[in-house]
Amino acid sequence: DAKTTQPTSMDCAEGRAANLPCNHSTISGNEYVYWYRQIHSQGPQYIIHGLKNNETNEMASLIITEDRKSSTLILPHATLRDTAVYYCIVPRYKLIFGTGTRLQVFP
Amino acid sequence: EAGVTQFPSHSVIEKGQTVTLRCDPISGHDNLYWYRRVMGKEIKFLLHFVKESKQDESGMPNNRFLAERTGGTYSTLKVQPAELEDSGVYFCASSRYDRGGGGYTFGSGTRLTVV
Repeated sequence: DAKTTQPTSMDCAEGRAANLPCNHSTISGNEYVYWYRQIHSQGPQYIIHGLKNNETNEMASLIITEDRKSSTLILPHATLRDTAVYYCIVPRYKLIFGTGTRLQVFP
Repeated sequence: EAGVTQFPSHSVIEKGQTVTLRCDPISGHDNLYWYRRVMGKEIKFLLHFVKESKQDESGMPNNRFLAERTGGTYSTLKVQPAELEDSGVYFCASSRYDRGGGGYTFGSGTRLTVV
């Protein structure tokens, strides 16, 4: 897997956009960027993935830089239930979880 | 569609005993994965089945762990004999295609406590 680097933790006010950055400078041309999250001790949950174009679904948006060396996950209107650990993963053959970013959404 | 189901949700056993965890993947998903999270550590990959075959078992910690997927449907993960360091949450995931990481659906996990 291409190595990813994420901040250890972030805070976000409820209702505001949460922007979670990820660096993946060693990504190869055909490798996707995946985002998952783990809320408390639940099973990890798939959020979104992308290759080179920006992506949006009902949960989040994914912005990938033109050189594909970094990306940002955007939760447009964070709620308290979005408090979780967010993982940015560039898998080669399987999902390998790093330490992720612990997002705390506060009232 | 029904999600990935794991049971039991919790298990407390004594050191030296045997425990079997079960995972029922989403129907039609040929790929099944086991992961484990030990307290304070990262979620670690254990192994990957494609139907009934072990595609990758590089993450299995030692020979006390045995995973099976007879018939390519549900899977079991047996720990025998259990040790204190086996405590943690064991997650199962499944996917229809092996996209190399994408589209996994995880179960809620089995919390194993070895005392």
